[in-house]
Amino acid sequence: KAGVTQTPRYLIKTRGQQVTLSCSPISGHRSVSWYQQTPGQGLQFLFEYFSETQRNKGNFPGRFSGRQFSNSRSEMNVSTLELGDSALYLCASSLFDRERGYTFGSGTRLTVV
Amino acid sequence: DAKTTQPPSMDCAEGRAANLPCNHSTISGNEYVYWYRQIHSQGPQYIIHGLKNNETNEMASLIITEDRKSSTLILPHATLRDTAVYYCIVRVPPFMAGGGADGLTFGKGTHLIIQP
Repeated sequence: KAGVTQTPRYLIKTRGQQVTLSCSPISGHRSVSWYQQTPGQGLQFLFEYFSETQRNKGNFPGRFSGRQFSNSRSEMNVSTLELGDSALYLCASSLFDRERGYTFGSGTRLTVV
Repeated sequence: DAKTTQPPSMDCAEGRAANLPCNHSTISGNEYVYWYRQIHSQGPQYIIHGLKNNETNEMASLIITEDRKSSTLILPHATLRDTAVYYCIVRVPPFMAGGGADGLTFGKGTHLIIQP
């Protein structure tokens, strides 16, 4: 059974650019959530999607956005990149209607220069 | 979500049981206790969860006190590969009334180091 797939694994962008990260959940998982991990702030919740609808969003500026497609795949976008956006971005999927925990991907390491 | 308190770090000898404590004194009646771990540079990994009864799976055991104000994750025979940061989280599952739609709230966790 394939796990959560995140692409790309590594990315280097310049300040002011925008970036799109992709996440393919485990087959059958309809809930996808995104997290940012930095050494200073730790793991922080970005947003969660279920059935193409954003259920909630963490305390991040509007430059951070996301969406979920009908096949449950999700993308997140960061516009006007800042140096402080350098982080490991993690995607997690879950069944939502049964408690089996979240399955995380390996993440995308974004470096903003 | 209720806050949790965990020791910042712990050591354990390889082959021994690792017992990781977590305090969640303000836990509400419908909040579950979850444990995740994160091995360096990987995404967090779900370990186990429980409401009030003790739970066991192939990875670990979860012991929840009767008043539910604290819990202990037990790795019965720790190996070097169990070295990781362990997170204790309490929340209402999303499928329950009042369930959390705000993801998992990770604290700083406990850095467990297994010594050879």
